[in-house]
Amino acid sequence: GAVVSQHPSRVICKSGTSVKIECRSLDFQATTMFWYRQFPKKSLMLMATSNEGSKATYEQGVEKDKFLINHASLTLSTLTVTSAHPEDSSFYICSADRVGTEAFFGQGTRLTVV
Amino acid sequence: GENVEQHPSTLSVQEGDSAVIKCTYSDSASNYFPWYKQELGKRPQLIIDIRSNVGEKKDQRIAVTLNKTAKHFSLHITETQPEDSAVYFCAAPAGNTPLVFGKGTRLSVIA
Repeated sequence: GAVVSQHPSRVICKSGTSVKIECRSLDFQATTMFWYRQFPKKSLMLMATSNEGSKATYEQGVEKDKFLINHASLTLSTLTVTSAHPEDSSFYICSADRVGTEAFFGQGTRLTVV
Repeated sequence: GENVEQHPSTLSVQEGDSAVIKCTYSDSASNYFPWYKQELGKRPQLIIDIRSNVGEKKDQRIAVTLNKTAKHFSLHITETQPEDSAVYFCAAPAGNTPLVFGKGTRLSVIA
């Protein structure tokens, strides 16, 4: 199956700083990637759809200025959590999928804001 | 848009018994139904999927059944083993939108 690589897998940052998470599709071109947030013992919540060469589409309730998404190439999407606060601590996971087929997930990033 | 309901939220079974997890979906146009297994702190992994042109698919101890009329699909795990313990998610697409996931089922297999 296709491979999606996400980096870093864990990050601890101080409150007020920004953190960048990268998501790469290693063996196929992904015009669209997706960013999810997962709270402990909860399901995957779609945050935004990352579109190559255009603006991301955010789900209702997700702050665009807080969670900056850039999809500069067909193989790379980045999520930047700006001015992070403890409530932003969570498991963030990306995926790239082809319409009508399975989603290929990155390894996930556990963000802890102290 | 698509709405996916998953039950139960938690399930405990004795090793060797079967486990069944059910999902319903709302969009009759959905035609692809995957099941993912997620171990603690890891990414979800596809374990089985089914397309709308078949009613059942089996892969060793895992099977998925689909009832398009009733808009529900189920995951069946037979002869459960401790390593089957994980969170399982069903999902369904809605047109050209990404997969919509169920809320997950935490399966515990007791040795």
